Amino acid sequence: DAGITQSPRHKVTETGTPVTLRCHQTENHRYMYWYRQDPGHGLRLIHYSYGVKDTDKGEVSDGYSVSRSKTEDFLLTLESATSSQTSVYFCAIARSSQETQYFGPGTRLLVL
Amino acid sequence: QQQVKQSPQSLIVQKGGISIINCAYENTAFDYFPWYQQFPGKGPALLIAIRPDVSEKKEGRFTISFNKSAKQFSLHIMDSQPGDSATYFCAASLSQGGSEKLVFGKGTKLTVNP
Repeated sequence: DAGITQSPRHKVTETGTPVTLRCHQTENHRYMYWYRQDPGHGLRLIHYSYGVKDTDKGEVSDGYSVSRSKTEDFLLTLESATSSQTSVYFCAIARSSQETQYFGPGTRLLVL
Repeated sequence: QQQVKQSPQSLIVQKGGISIINCAYENTAFDYFPWYQQFPGKGPALLIAIRPDVSEKKEGRFTISFNKSAKQFSLHIMDSQPGDSATYFCAASLSQGGSEKLVFGKGTKLTVNP
């Protein structure tokens, strides 16, 4: 998985609780992305980062925030989890905006 | 205009047959068209990609055909094998301000029967 780890790999939480997912890379790639994958929807971009402390919104950013204080770490936070945020979350990295995105192994999140 | 439409949703092919997955897009500004392969429990992995200045690209048994005028591109898997059974996603990228964003199709679940 191209030097990308995601933690936790599985999480069950309750509605209304905050949740933070972590993406860690050892490739020193500039770009990092968070996607969610749901049946019938494919992969949808939540947020992405193009450098330390540089982030921007994707297609489905409502209810999510991100932070990147170091090149290697990109955090996704659900401030108050809802059942609609039950999904598989993938992190991806890329050396530059014009190069291939490499995906991590995913985090399966269940919000009860 | 940002969408990529992928078909079919699922596909069953016999071993040795040809698998064909189609994608269509509207935004003519898209300039990079990758295909990703995803096995259950794994993240998507780049399979093959094409840029619009090329009409076809082949890598082993996998071929992308690109029709710029029709705004369509397709993945052909020749001599399909049971190990090819996976979900395939087409995607298109749009560079905005130097940041490439991938827009994905909804995926095709391919089953290759032995």
